[in-house]
Amino acid sequence: KQEVTQIPAALSVPEGENLVLNCSFTDSAIYNLQWFRQDPGKGLTSLLLIQSSQREQTSGRLNASLDKSSGRSTLYIAASQPGDSATYLCAVIETDSWGKLQFGAGTQVVVTP
Amino acid sequence: GAVVSQHPSRVICKSGTSVKIECRSLDFQATTMFWYRQFPKKSLMLMATSNEGSKATYEQGVEKDKFLINHASLTLSTLTVTSAHPEDSSFYICSARDISSGGYSPLHFGNGTRLTVT
Repeated sequence: KQEVTQIPAALSVPEGENLVLNCSFTDSAIYNLQWFRQDPGKGLTSLLLIQSSQREQTSGRLNASLDKSSGRSTLYIAASQPGDSATYLCAVIETDSWGKLQFGAGTQVVVTP
Repeated sequence: GAVVSQHPSRVICKSGTSVKIECRSLDFQATTMFWYRQFPKKSLMLMATSNEGSKATYEQGVEKDKFLINHASLTLSTLTVTSAHPEDSSFYICSARDISSGGYSPLHFGNGTRLTVT
């Protein structure tokens, strides 16, 4: 059974520092991996989607890497801002599950001014 | 961009009553929608896959008679929590995928419903 783990569970950094969020998964037979942002009491906003054949995706200050063989993905957020404070979730879609995401528990990020 | 509307955003009900949550895709069609449940500081847990025009597929451990799912059209799925109990209090989120997208495209999520059962 696929298990998705995110470390650390919480992270606090001063504004301007780079953020590094880790996600690991136990079964490498994934179709793709998706990173989300969740603000308190809100739904999910998709940040980046990495296909299993890709090694990374970039969007603005965000960069996500994927190492499928080792079961790891990392989300980098450059030059963090207080507005980046949120919980970040990673989720994998397994090859034969078409749309069913397995989520990690998330990393709660606080960026202090 | 694709928008999924979930309603209501918050609901408080008494034990024993039923609550219906709606999930609508506003500008795209979705043959399949997914319902998730989230406990505080825990990961989202898939409850069921809602299929347009057919029965929902429930994940192991989810009571289908308690969590009734109806997907009557390509833009609407509903989750009804029947005979709610305090332990059903949680954050429920739906998601949908645009069927017109080729290959795989990101799922779009609603803003969630905070259910509190007193």
